[in-house]
Amino acid sequence: GQQVMQIPQYQHVQEGEDFTTYCNSSTTLSNIQWYKQRPGGHPVFLIQLVKSGEVKKQKRLTFQFGEAKKNSSLHITATQTTDVGTYFCADRGSTLGRLYFGRGTQLTVWP
Amino acid sequence: DTAVSQTPKYLVTQMGNDKSIKCEQNLGHDTMYWYKQDSKKFLKIMFSYNNKELIINETVPNRFSPKSPDKAHLNLHINSLELGDSAVYFCASSQGLGSNQPQHFGDGTRLSIL
Repeated sequence: GQQVMQIPQYQHVQEGEDFTTYCNSSTTLSNIQWYKQRPGGHPVFLIQLVKSGEVKKQKRLTFQFGEAKKNSSLHITATQTTDVGTYFCADRGSTLGRLYFGRGTQLTVWP
Repeated sequence: DTAVSQTPKYLVTQMGNDKSIKCEQNLGHDTMYWYKQDSKKFLKIMFSYNNKELIINETVPNRFSPKSPDKAHLNLHINSLELGDSAVYFCASSQGLGSNQPQHFGDGTRLSIL
């Protein structure tokens, strides 16, 4: 089946440092959705990228979709303790009604 | 006015028991899902339903039986619980099968098997 590889699995940063998580695929991605799951919480939709080379921003978060639509990244500038959680990318794929989730990146921010 | 609500939030039970988890969404969505999240946070889809019809059954043991009485509800019954069933189970919903709409998740049911 389709696989979306997400790295790193864990990231520990000092508050104020930047953070990036990457999603890669050997096949062309349909579209990419990003979700955030706070500790003890549930995944919450952040954004969707559809077009090749697309870049979207939400305050300190920057989302990119690669030109070949085989990779995507989420970059957080100047992390805050409220950024703690697990970030998932997910590809819509070709199977109706299914999202292919990456394994997630668990972000810890030290104050 | 929770959008996707699932009950119970916590479920602690013994191996071999049968248990059910209920899910309801008030978003008017026509597609609902069950996911299993293990201790390493991996989100694995189990089932999806569209307008009460089973769309995805992701090689889940037949001890797990979903039921969708209407498009706003998707329940999960588990027979003969095993230690490996311990996980967080999330219900989710979205509008449409082929659309690009996001999935909305419930708060999760934390299942612990003793």
